[in-house]
Amino acid sequence: QQQVKQSPQSLIVQKGGISIINCAYENTAFDYFPWYQQFPGKGPALLIAIRPDVSEKKEGRFTISFNKSAKQFSLHIMDSQPGDSATYFCAASNPNNAGNMLTFGGGTRLMVKP
Amino acid sequence: DGGITQSPKYLFRKEGQNVTLSCEQNLNHDAMYWYRQDPGQGLRLIYYSQIVNDFQKGDIAEGYSVSREKKESFPLTVTSAQKNPTAFYLCASSLFGTATGELFFGEGSRLTVL
Repeated sequence: QQQVKQSPQSLIVQKGGISIINCAYENTAFDYFPWYQQFPGKGPALLIAIRPDVSEKKEGRFTISFNKSAKQFSLHIMDSQPGDSATYFCAASNPNNAGNMLTFGGGTRLMVKP
Repeated sequence: DGGITQSPKYLFRKEGQNVTLSCEQNLNHDAMYWYRQDPGQGLRLIYYSQIVNDFQKGDIAEGYSVSREKKESFPLTVTSAQKNPTAFYLCASSLFGTATGELFFGEGSRLTVL
């Protein structure tokens, strides 16, 4: 079964610090790696995404780092703010699968302390 | 406003009862999905539909049923055959299927079995 393993399950960071969430995958056919952000009581929303032809993508304070050889990718949140407190999910899609469905990691609950 | 509307937000069910969760979208998206969210397990795909009158099982379809009679609507029925139905259910849609990476989620329905 395709899997995306996400760590840590929970993370506490001080305001202004760097939050780092890691994901690892096995299936080398994965070719699209989005991150979703979910606030309590809401549905997830796309935050940032990367394809394996680049090693890094930055959007504002959010950066994805991608290591194709290690089959790992990570989300870095710079200057973390209390408003970033949410659950973050990494995901991956495999174009060889019928429907090209996303496989999600288990999620990381981030708390940014003021 | 364009978006996905799920109802009800909270639902309580007695064991042995079927319940139907509603999902409506006005984004003119072709594909719709149902996910189940449990703590620490991420989002698991129940069913998906890429066109009207067609749908496919996801990873955890047992005990669930769906229909797609209209492009805008994709209701999910949680049947009495689902052994552990208490969960947070998320409906999503996308333009062409998750090859684009972006799923748009509703705000979810929380089902509790008493």
